[in-house]
Amino acid sequence: DQQVKQNSPSLSVQEGRISILNCDYTNSMFDYFLWYKKYPAEGPTFLISISSIKDKNEDGRFTVFLNKSAKHLSLHIVPSQPGDSAVYFCAASGVVGGSEKLVFGKGTKLTVNP
Amino acid sequence: GAVVSQHPSWVICKSGTSVKIECRSLDFQATTMFWYRQFPKQSLMLMATSNEGSKATYEQGVEKDKFLINHASLTLSTLTVTSAHPEDSSFYICSPAFDTLGPQHFGDGTRLSIL
Repeated sequence: DQQVKQNSPSLSVQEGRISILNCDYTNSMFDYFLWYKKYPAEGPTFLISISSIKDKNEDGRFTVFLNKSAKHLSLHIVPSQPGDSAVYFCAASGVVGGSEKLVFGKGTKLTVNP
Repeated sequence: GAVVSQHPSWVICKSGTSVKIECRSLDFQATTMFWYRQFPKQSLMLMATSNEGSKATYEQGVEKDKFLINHASLTLSTLTVTSAHPEDSSFYICSPAFDTLGPQHFGDGTRLSIL
């Protein structure tokens, strides 16, 4: 059972436009959400996070929106740059099976075309 | 600069070989170490969690006798894949943590290919 879902395996956008990456989760016990960016042959790097008590968090070109009632979060990148091309993982944190866990989605490969 | 050092980055070896992967936290004391595995087109999956000086806790479906984890110090943890087989071929990533909440730092991963 996949608790964190990123239904779009890939996304392609034009440089300068907005990139919107989506993520859905099923476990209402998740209370902290993170986005990671991953380049090939490297480990994920932390990008931005949001607590369940908020519905928006902004950091420069990156904004994460959380809709708790829909169990949905999204990452907006604007303006998109070619260097943003990477795989983006959504992750949810919370108590799962009695212990604190971090559960990842499968990732969305973003390609920003010059 | 990097806060986590993981090596080797790439290993190719014959079936039956044991492979050791090292993970070092460079800037902080890692009381907890997470080991993840990622198969192609799948999520990062947590394999096990270890705390310094104690036995690792393995996730369901992960064989503790096959994936030996040693977390002997606050800056070093190792994962040994014993008697590796082709189905163990994967991308292994470590993540040392000072605490278990909030963003984690990750190693660059080890690509393990078993022939």
